[in-house]
Amino acid sequence: EVQLVESGGGLVQPGGSLRLSCAASGFTFSSSWMYWVRQTPGKGLLWVSRINTDGDTTNYADSVKGRFTVSRDNAKNTLYLQMDSLRAEDTAVYYCTKRGYTGESEYWGQGTLVTVSS
Amino acid sequence: DIQMTQSPSSLSASVGDRVTITCRADQIIRNYLSWYQQKPGKAPRLLIYAAFTLQTGVPSRFSGGGSGTEYTLSISSLQPEDFATYYCQQTYSPPYTFGQGTNLDI
Repeated sequence: EVQLVESGGGLVQPGGSLRLSCAASGFTFSSSWMYWVRQTPGKGLLWVSRINTDGDTTNYADSVKGRFTVSRDNAKNTLYLQMDSLRAEDTAVYYCTKRGYTGESEYWGQGTLVTVSS
Repeated sequence: DIQMTQSPSSLSASVGDRVTITCRADQIIRNYLSWYQQKPGKAPRLLIYAAFTLQTGVPSRFSGGGSGTEYTLSISSLQPEDFATYYCQQTYSPPYTFGQGTNLDI
């Protein structure tokens, strides 16, 4: 059974940093592209970033480019999202997802809440 | 970035009804279109990918259609568990943008 378990969310002040983790199991993590998707409370979904299997190709939404960094450790089956220079508008539930056949998010974690507030 | 527009933004229906949700992209996305269902407090669930392909375990009352820039999600006979919010997403070109969602309620 595929499992994705996010952690690392919490309350952080504007301008601060946070690192999210996603522990993966039930599939060959090293062979899977992975994504981060976020959802503002009560609002819609925003695709945040993606990373290829080796970790040397990444893409980001314009709203987080230059502030967020996605990475992975295939030996630990873990995906990361380093979030710097956080803003109030980054407040959201952050989901880790596994890429499907045509780029869709085939599997989702339960999400971790990030709140940016003073 | 590719913009995705869903309609309607909300929809009221009854058990047994057939409903259709539309998603339009502002450029051709060559069937790289997925649909998700989300219930309150839960992560989204993949229903359909590649415009037409039903994800394993999804009931056959769900179907996808369309081409080019316009795509549809249809539910042939609504069941109580289908009342939820539905999102489309293009995976043709990153960033993989979502539609704004359609809230389907009773």
